[in-house]
Amino acid sequence: GAGVSQTPSNKVTEKGKYVELRCDPISGHTALYWYRQSLGQGPEFLIYFQGTGAADDSGLPNDRFFAVRPEGSVSTLKIQRTERGDSAVYLCASSTRDSREQYFGPGTRLTVT
Amino acid sequence: AQSVAQPEDQVNVAEGNPLTVKCTYSVSGNPYLFWYVQYPNRGLQFLLKYITGDNLVKGSYGFEAEFNKSQTSFHLKKPSALVSDSALYFCAVRDPGTASKLTFGTGTRLQVTL
Repeated sequence: GAGVSQTPSNKVTEKGKYVELRCDPISGHTALYWYRQSLGQGPEFLIYFQGTGAADDSGLPNDRFFAVRPEGSVSTLKIQRTERGDSAVYLCASSTRDSREQYFGPGTRLTVT
Repeated sequence: AQSVAQPEDQVNVAEGNPLTVKCTYSVSGNPYLFWYVQYPNRGLQFLLKYITGDNLVKGSYGFEAEFNKSQTSFHLKKPSALVSDSALYFCAVRDPGTASKLTFGTGTRLQVTL
């Protein structure tokens, strides 16, 4: 079956621009997670959705970052006024409500120039 | 706060030899523990997990891990390494009191040579 998909796979943008990153979870998975992975580091948690609502957004670094999941399936991570420090791979994962393991997508590599 | 330590940046092993990738954790209460593998330009792939029960858990591709509560460790092992096992391995912990985030270690690069 289809896994988690993320688009685009690569995104290059200029400092100060706005970007949107999309995640399409595994069908039927109610939980969705966003992580950010900087070079040489492990993934760091950003936000978690259960259904349409953000159940935990404690990992969002500041108010330039925002995520939505309006219909409880696809999610969009939005970054305003991008900075060079935002450059990283953004990973999305999904799981069933009661599952303990999360299944990851291939990520979006964001480069801010 | 929960945390994970992977003390080795890189582990080198010859094909056919056993391998161990180390992981220690810190979490309040009983942890949920995971190992993921990452191949170049690919996402994280789930290998195995410990939730409860037998301390030795078996996962994909012949990997296993041993949960040791007294040493707060969850080392990844494989009896006989393959060159194709060369990748980046991440240990992660989840506080069972939450339904959300995994906390990852910084990763260990496994290099298996002929």
